Amino acid sequence: DTEVTQTPKHLVMGMTNKKSLKCEQHMGHRAMYWYKQKAKKPPELMFVYSYEKLSINESVPSRFSPECPNSSLLNLHLHALQPEDSALYLCASSQDGGEGYGYTFGSGTRLTVV
Amino acid sequence: AQSVTQLDSHVSVSEGTPVLLRCNYSSSYSPSLFWYVQHPNKGLQLLLKYTSAATLVKGINGFEAEFKKSETSFHLTKPSAHMSDAAEYFCVVSAPNTNAGKSTFGDGTTLTVKP
Repeated sequence: DTEVTQTPKHLVMGMTNKKSLKCEQHMGHRAMYWYKQKAKKPPELMFVYSYEKLSINESVPSRFSPECPNSSLLNLHLHALQPEDSALYLCASSQDGGEGYGYTFGSGTRLTVV
Repeated sequence: AQSVTQLDSHVSVSEGTPVLLRCNYSSSYSPSLFWYVQHPNKGLQLLLKYTSAATLVKGINGFEAEFKKSETSFHLTKPSAHMSDAAEYFCVVSAPNTNAGKSTFGDGTTLTVKP
């Protein structure tokens, strides 16, 4: 299995809703990442988990809450989002030894906040 | 510190003609360099990577890139463009052997392929 699987592919949520994005990989990668991508822009790093521990939080607002239940799963819990949070949310993973090996990205979740 | 500059925001070629997407980097260590492709409403796919082995790197779908340390460049080429190559391309520089979120993305180059 050489894929990163993200669900759902599309999500529309109101500003008072709570929802979660899910990411799964079975490549044995021990680093997992959440990126946010706005249209016509490069991905922006949000969170990094290394060996299931949060190692980087790029000053992301607390309405985004990451969780890594095990080495194969990564969640992003969403609560009280704003319309400007609408974007493509990408999950990625990389091998032991880190980003020098490159990322495997999922197809993303297209989030619309109304 | 590291940075990456993609020199063209848009490149347009005709089908069957060569493709050149330019990337310059800056790094205070010996970097790893990558090219990713992103088709509309899709995730990013790794095209190729340089990790201090051969300076000419071959990737998927006929793409190549050459690492030139003296010019701090890592340009992406393909001899003959196909319609399916139309996409966004990102050059990325990373610190090797770390999970520290030390990857820097270029702003991207949009490749258009005309029939």
